[in-house]
Amino acid sequence: NAGVTQTPKFQVLKTGQSMTLQCAQDMNHEYMSWYRQDPGMGLRLIHYSVGAGITDQGEVPNGYNVSRSTTEDFPLRLLSAAPSQTSVYFCASSYLRQGIRYEQYFGPGTRLTVT
Amino acid sequence: AQTVTQSQPEMSVQEAETVTLSCTYDTSESNYYLFWYKQPPSRQMILVIRQEAYKQQNATENRFSVNFQKAAKSFSLKISDSQLGDTAMYFCAFMKGQAGTALIFGKGTTLSVSS
Repeated sequence: NAGVTQTPKFQVLKTGQSMTLQCAQDMNHEYMSWYRQDPGMGLRLIHYSVGAGITDQGEVPNGYNVSRSTTEDFPLRLLSAAPSQTSVYFCASSYLRQGIRYEQYFGPGTRLTVT
Repeated sequence: AQTVTQSQPEMSVQEAETVTLSCTYDTSESNYYLFWYKQPPSRQMILVIRQEAYKQQNATENRFSVNFQKAAKSFSLKISDSQLGDTAMYFCAFMKGQAGTALIFGKGTTLSVSS
C-alpha cells in the first residue's frame, strides 16, 4: 500500500492563480480531510469528507473548494490564491470499524507559497 | 467546542534522559480519543501513541507512554531513554468518538535531544 499520497510536494503561485492539490489513498478509508499547518498554529481543518459524494467545512474553509467523486481521491482547489494561503497542506484519511474510530494517516504534505 | 493546549512551546533534553510533554484539553464529550503525533524535520506526521477515553489503562508504545488523567483532562507524553531521533515537533490531538469527526490539534511542542 502506498498509503496517503499528495502531489505536488512544493508549489509557488502568484496571487490570483488557481490550482488543485491532489490527494489519494489506497486503504479504502471512508474518511478524508485536509489540514493546513502554519507556524505556531498547529494543524487546522479546512474541509473533510465522510464518503464519496459527501463533503463538509472545517474550521478554515474560506478560499478552498473540495469534491469527493471516488473513495480514493479528495482534491483541494484554491480558487484564487492569496498570500494568506501560504502554508503547508496535509491530507489525511481514517476509518471506522465496529464503532471504533481509528487514527488518521497523513500524507507527506505540500508546501505552498503564494507571492 | 473542544480545545487542546500544549503549554510548553520548546523543550530540550540530553540523550538517555526522560522528558514529559504536557497536554490539556477541554471537552464535554464522554466518548473520545487522544493522540500524540510526531513531526520530524521531514514534516511527515507520525502517530506516536493513541488513547481511548473509555480505557483507564495508560497506553504505552516502547519508550513512549502517556499519563491520562480523565477527570483533570490531562494527557501527557513521557519519552524514556531519549534518542537523537526523537528530535521533532510533537502535537497532542483530540478526536470525538463519533463518525466523521476531525482531529483538533494543540500548537505543538518542539523537542530537541542533544548528545
